[in-house]
Amino acid sequence: GAVVSQHPSRVICKSGTSVKIECRSLDFQATTMFWYRQFPKQSLMLMATSNEGSKATYEQGVEKDKFLINHASLTLSTLTVTSAHPEDSSFYICSANGGGTGELFFGEGSRLTVL
Amino acid sequence: AQSVTQPDIHITVSEGASLELRCNYSYGATPYLFWYVQSPGQGLQLLLKYFSGDTLVQGIKGFEAEFKRSQSSFNLRKPSVHWSDAAEYFCAVGVQEYGNKLVFGAGTILRVKS
Repeated sequence: GAVVSQHPSRVICKSGTSVKIECRSLDFQATTMFWYRQFPKQSLMLMATSNEGSKATYEQGVEKDKFLINHASLTLSTLTVTSAHPEDSSFYICSANGGGTGELFFGEGSRLTVL
Repeated sequence: AQSVTQPDIHITVSEGASLELRCNYSYGATPYLFWYVQSPGQGLQLLLKYFSGDTLVQGIKGFEAEFKRSQSSFNLRKPSVHWSDAAEYFCAVGVQEYGNKLVFGAGTILRVKS
């Protein structure tokens, strides 16, 4: 099946720094990718829809300036957590539609810890 | 608004016993329905999905789910649970007008006792 890869899988950073997470579709092109956030022992919450070549669409309550999304190519979307704070610590997961089948393929997730 | 309810936060079953995880959804149109499994600290793996047609769908690892429109349910079942099935299970509905945007339930943690 289609493969979505995230990098890094784990990152620890100091408060105030910015962190970039990459999401790649390895064997298919994805015009749309989705970024989810998962708090400990909770479900996944959609943060934003990443659209290739255009601006991302953010869900209500998600700060656009805090979570910068760039979808510069058909195989790569990036999420940058700017000026990270401890409350941004979470598990971030991306997904992409594998060729218009209606099935989403998820990355392995990236665990961010902000000290 | 679309929503997914998984009423059971935790379920514990004995190895070899049958399993049913409940899922109810609220969505105005014909839904795309999914079950995903997540092991600790890892991403999600698709178990099965329903788009249309036969309301009983078969998935990987011996799981199946039945779509019941009248009950707005999509319960996940397995006849005989293995210790390796211990994980968290998420039901999700695909919001069609937004393509594959998914709304997830809160998840059900499955524990398997030997």
